[in-house]
Order: sequence, then C-alpha cells, then structure tokens
Amino acid sequence: AQTVTQSQPEMSVQEAETVTLSCTYDTSENNYYLFWYKQPPSRQMILVIRQEAYKQQNATENRFSVNFQKAAKSFSLKISDSQLGDTAMYFCAFMKSPLGAGNNRKLIWGLGTSLAVNP
Amino acid sequence: GAGVSQSPSNKVTEKGKDVELRCDPISGHTALYWYRQSLGQGLEFLIYFQGNSAPDKSGLPSDRFSAERTGGSVSTLTIQRTQQEDSAVYLCASSLARSNEQFFGPGTRLTVL
Repeated sequence: AQTVTQSQPEMSVQEAETVTLSCTYDTSENNYYLFWYKQPPSRQMILVIRQEAYKQQNATENRFSVNFQKAAKSFSLKISDSQLGDTAMYFCAFMKSPLGAGNNRKLIWGLGTSLAVNP
Repeated sequence: GAGVSQSPSNKVTEKGKDVELRCDPISGHTALYWYRQSLGQGLEFLIYFQGNSAPDKSGLPSDRFSAERTGGSVSTLTIQRTQQEDSAVYLCASSLARSNEQFFGPGTRLTVL
C-alpha cells in the first residue's frame, strides 16, 4: 500500500521569502504521479503542481517548484516570493499510474501542512 | 465555465438520521470521485465512478455509506443512520477519463450531533 507523509504540520514564512514544504512517500510502483494541492479557508482544493515519476526534470509553475528525488521517495515543494494569498493548507498526494482509461485514479493524501504567510 | 458544485455547503444532523450529499461535476467529465476529509485523518478516498462502468466502492467505510451517479452526471452520497464519527468535510472531484487532474468542489461540511 502507498503512504504519503508530511512531517511539518505547521509552517510560517515572511512575505517575499522562500519556503520549502516536505513530503515523502512509500510505494513499490515504478510509474506514478505526485501532486501538491492547496486548500485555502474556502475549502476549495486547488492543484498547485504535479510531477510524473518517469520525468527526471523537476516541475515548475511560476513561483512554485518541486524537488523530486525518486530514489529517496521525496517530493518537496518550494514557494518563492511568498505572498499573503499563499496562506493555506498544502497537501501532497500520490496517484498510481493507471493501466487503462477507465481505471481508478484515486489520490492518496498526506495529512497536510498549514502554511501562514506573514506580512 | 462552471466548476464542480456541491450541496448543501453545510449540513447539521442528529445522530441516527440519514443524509444525502449532492455533487454536480464539470460537464463532460466522465470520472467522479468522493473523498472524506476528517480532522486528524486527512483525506481518504471513498468511491469512484467512471462513465457507465460499475463504481469502485473500495473506500466506503461501512455499509451505511452508498452513492449513486445518475445519467453519468450528478452524484449523490447517502449516509444512513449517521454517527458522530461521520462528521467531516465530504469533497467531490471530477476529471476527464484519461486525465490525472482532478477538479474539486467546495465540499459539504457534515456535523452529526
């Protein structure tokens, strides 16, 4: 069974600074996907960034980037130039690579990291 | 364009009552997921629908939980004889059949007194 661990329940960062959120996972699969989702107080879960395990290049999306270390089963999220709107819960999630179009792409989640960006 | 919608936004019920939670996925999305978000337990998968295929119910915690998806669109999650441990936020997500990106609704917060 796959598990996802986020070891930092809470973090804070000053506006405009950089912060890194940690995530480790355990799987025997070789092909899979990893995600970071953001959940602000509105409860709306929003995809921040995703990584395919077969790609060695780390994914980036504007101020958000990941450090994907497949051998170490580590998938950290770096937020640069933090903004007040980045305040939210951040969840790391794992998806096993499906074998077909109709197969279950359920997400397996970590417990989340609550990030506060301070002015 | 409309995103995933869920209703009600909040539901307070008494222990032992039945509740129905509704999810309207994004038009054209054939895959639909229900997740439960509980304090201290994070998010857990409940059930998956894909088109007209039989649903994957492997995440449902007990036989008090059931879900339907009518016409390949709207889904209803029903919890019978609610218990206090059912209190949680229930999130619905939809996606295209071959996509790995799931789009989430705002959730229904269920409180069982």
